Order: sequence, then structure tokens, then C-alpha cells
Amino acid sequence: EDQVTQSPEALRLQEGESSSLNCSYTVSGLRGLFWYRQDPGKGPEFLFTLYSAGEEKEKERLKATLTKKESFLHITAPKPEDSATYLCAVQALLGNQFYFGTGTSLTVIP
Amino acid sequence: DVKVTQSSRYLVKRTGEKVFLECVQDMDHENMFWYRQDPGLGLRLIYFSYDVKMKEKGDIPEGYSVSREKKERFSLILESASTNQTSMYLCASSTGDSFDVPYFGPGTRLTVT
Repeated sequence: EDQVTQSPEALRLQEGESSSLNCSYTVSGLRGLFWYRQDPGKGPEFLFTLYSAGEEKEKERLKATLTKKESFLHITAPKPEDSATYLCAVQALLGNQFYFGTGTSLTVIP
Repeated sequence: DVKVTQSSRYLVKRTGEKVFLECVQDMDHENMFWYRQDPGLGLRLIYFSYDVKMKEKGDIPEGYSVSREKKERFSLILESASTNQTSMYLCASSTGDSFDVPYFGPGTRLTVT
């Protein structure tokens, strides 16, 4: 069964304290892995897609990496405005569905 | 920019009412999806559609139906709303091609009393 597990569930960081969020997945052939940011009461906002092991993508203070079993979202020197829930999703080679994790709630304290 | 819009941000309905949630995308995407999001449970797929008039059940279709009469519009229908359908409803669309990415609307917070 295709599934996605994110850890930790919640993370509190001091401003400037770098850390990583984890997304581990089991899927019968990976077509793509996706990272989203979601602010309270809003829809998820697309950040990155990763397609193959070893691939990396960056956007401002965020960097996503992919291995054969997991992905990491590295946050470098975070700011309070980075506080949000970060969601991970995967799509299998066969089928149109996307499978989502339950997210990591990040709080960055000034 | 991809734009997915949903008909309401907040909705309050009574138990037993028929509820319509509408979603429109402006990017000529093939696939459209309806999810509900609840604390601790993440996003769960209700229904998706890969073409006009085509639909497939997701993980939790019970109590819901959908309609896709035009490519850009995907409607979610709660035939008889119940309190356990109080949730955040999210619509998404994607191209359906090799570089498929789901883009989400702003969500509808539905409360059933």
C-alpha cells in the first residue's frame, strides 16, 4: 500500500536555528514527490517537485532532497514567517492519485 | 499562474441539507480532485476526475457525489449533510501529464450543525 509518513509532527525553532523535516514513503515506483506549505485556514501552496534519488531543489531558505525511501526539507536560518505546516505527497508511476502525509507544523520563535 | 477557485471560503449548513461545493480551474487541467482535511488525519481523497463526465472514488466517497460537466468545473455534493462532514474541503487540479503537480484552491471550511 502506498503511504507517506512525516516527522516530527510539530517542531519549534528559534529564529536562525536550522533544522530538517522528514518525509518517508513507500510507493510502488515513484513518479514524483511534492512539498507544500500550508498556512492556517488556507489551501496548500506548492513548493517543490522531486523526481529521482539524488535530486535537490532550493527556494530561499528551503532545500528539498530525495533518496529512494525518504525526502528531507532543510530549513536554513528560519524566520518567523516560515511558520506553517509543511506537507509531503507522492505520486506512484501507475495511477493519477497523490498520497499525502499528515504534515509537520513548524513554529519559528523570534 | 495556476488559479483554482472555490465557491465559498466558509459555509454553515444544517443537518440533512443538500450542499454544493464548486471548484473552477483556469489552466485547462485534465485532472481534478476533492479532498477533505481533518486534524491528525491529513488530506483524504474523496473523489477525482480525469476527464469530463468521468469520476473515480477515492478513499472516503461515502456520503458524497461529484459532477464534472465541463472541463474547468468540478462540483462536490453532500446529498444529506451530517455533523461528521464538518471539515475543510480542498479542491485541486493537475495536468495529468508526466510532470503532474496538483495545485490547490483556498479551501472551504464547512460546518454542519
